[in-house]
Amino acid sequence: DQQVKQNSPSLSVQEGRISILNCDYTNSMFDYFLWYKKYPAEGPTFLISISSIKDKNEDGRFTVFLNKSAKHLSLHIVPSQPGDSAVYFCAAKASAQKLVFGQGTRLTINP
Amino acid sequence: GAGVSQSPSNKVTEKGKDVELRCDPISGHTALYWYRQSLGQGLEFLIYFQGNSAPDKSGLPSDRFSAERTGGSVSTLTIQRTQQEDSAVYLCASSLERGLNQPQHFGDGTRLSIL
Repeated sequence: DQQVKQNSPSLSVQEGRISILNCDYTNSMFDYFLWYKKYPAEGPTFLISISSIKDKNEDGRFTVFLNKSAKHLSLHIVPSQPGDSAVYFCAAKASAQKLVFGQGTRLTINP
Repeated sequence: GAGVSQSPSNKVTEKGKDVELRCDPISGHTALYWYRQSLGQGLEFLIYFQGNSAPDKSGLPSDRFSAERTGGSVSTLTIQRTQQEDSAVYLCASSLERGLNQPQHFGDGTRLSIL
């Protein structure tokens, strides 16, 4: 059972525009959500997180939105830059439980 | 360096051999995690350490897999009698404390190929 799903395996966005990456989850006990970015041959790099008591968290060009009623999480990147091209993973956990990762979305930023 | 360090970065071995993967977490991080990522898949949790103890081994796929952590720092993941399905990137992560909402920081992984 895939508790965290990223339904879009890939996304292409023009440089300067907004990139929106989506993530859905099924476990209502999840209370902490994270986004990671991964370049080839490197480990995932932590980007931004959000606790379930919030519905938005912003850090520079990155904003994460959480809709608990819809069990939906999204990452907005604006403006998108060529260096943002990577695979993005969302992850979630419940209390002291393990992180559960989605399958990833490959983002390509076109010049 | 300040990040999580893993070695070797690549390992190619024959089916049936044992392999040992090493992880050196960020200094001061008490929680340590092992994951693996098979081709085209997401990250699959293997085992978690808090200090030297492993309260959650639920992700280890078989008894051929074991891990230990000594001195609350370096951890080794051992795979005995390797099989071709063990081929994957094995990633280690550490965080300050598992119970709190602390992000996990990853190493660059060991790419394991079983011939």
